Amino acid sequence: QVQLVQSGAEVKKPGASVRVSCKASGYSITSSDINWVRQATGQGLEWMGWLNPNSGNTGYAQKFQGRVTMTRNTSINTAYMELSSLRSDDTAVYYCARGRGTTVTYYYMDVWGKGTTVTVSS
Amino acid sequence: QSVLTQPPSASGTPGQRVTISCSGSSSNIGRNTVNWYQQLPGTAPKLLIYSNNQRPSGVPDRFSGSKSGTSASLAISGLQSEDEADYYCAPWDDSLNGYVFGTGTKVTVL
Repeated sequence: QVQLVQSGAEVKKPGASVRVSCKASGYSITSSDINWVRQATGQGLEWMGWLNPNSGNTGYAQKFQGRVTMTRNTSINTAYMELSSLRSDDTAVYYCARGRGTTVTYYYMDVWGKGTTVTVSS
Repeated sequence: QSVLTQPPSASGTPGQRVTISCSGSSSNIGRNTVNWYQQLPGTAPKLLIYSNNQRPSGVPDRFSGSKSGTSASLAISGLQSEDEADYYCAPWDDSLNGYVFGTGTKVTVL
């Protein structure tokens, strides 16, 4: 069945970078966008950006511009999200989600990974 | 702080109808379709409603969505204990050029 399998939990020190992977199963990753959404403990959902795995084009939320990079390796059906200059308030669960919709007007995310916990602590 | 406002909580007894509101603006709900996500405790979000009022396969018809102007609503009829979860509205925002989530509403079944 269609699913997104994420990499395991990470513990990083402030100032370091983290890379989270998201492997698509049951479909070709190049057929749909991959979005990244994060959630701090007890907080709401926060959209970070999207990646078009076919073209490599990306779009990032202004808050993360300059700190986030979304890439892919189509040969292994996998997308990546790298966040640099980590701070304690980057501690959160990071989700990847498949994006659908012909245009942004109709955009939604229909398949979600289980999440990757990233802890930033000295 | 989110550009979409939801009530922090809602509750009802089993079998009741519960409605959750989502207030936005002309740059998001006013121009784009609204989606709703359900997040059960300790799990990833799940798509519940897309394109204002469409249910993905497998979502019970107890869940329904609507939109009017710059506001949207999610209704849960025949409330069940397994509906206890957080619910988020989410459209694209043209001004921010990105996807936005509402503040979230925690539904409790009394």
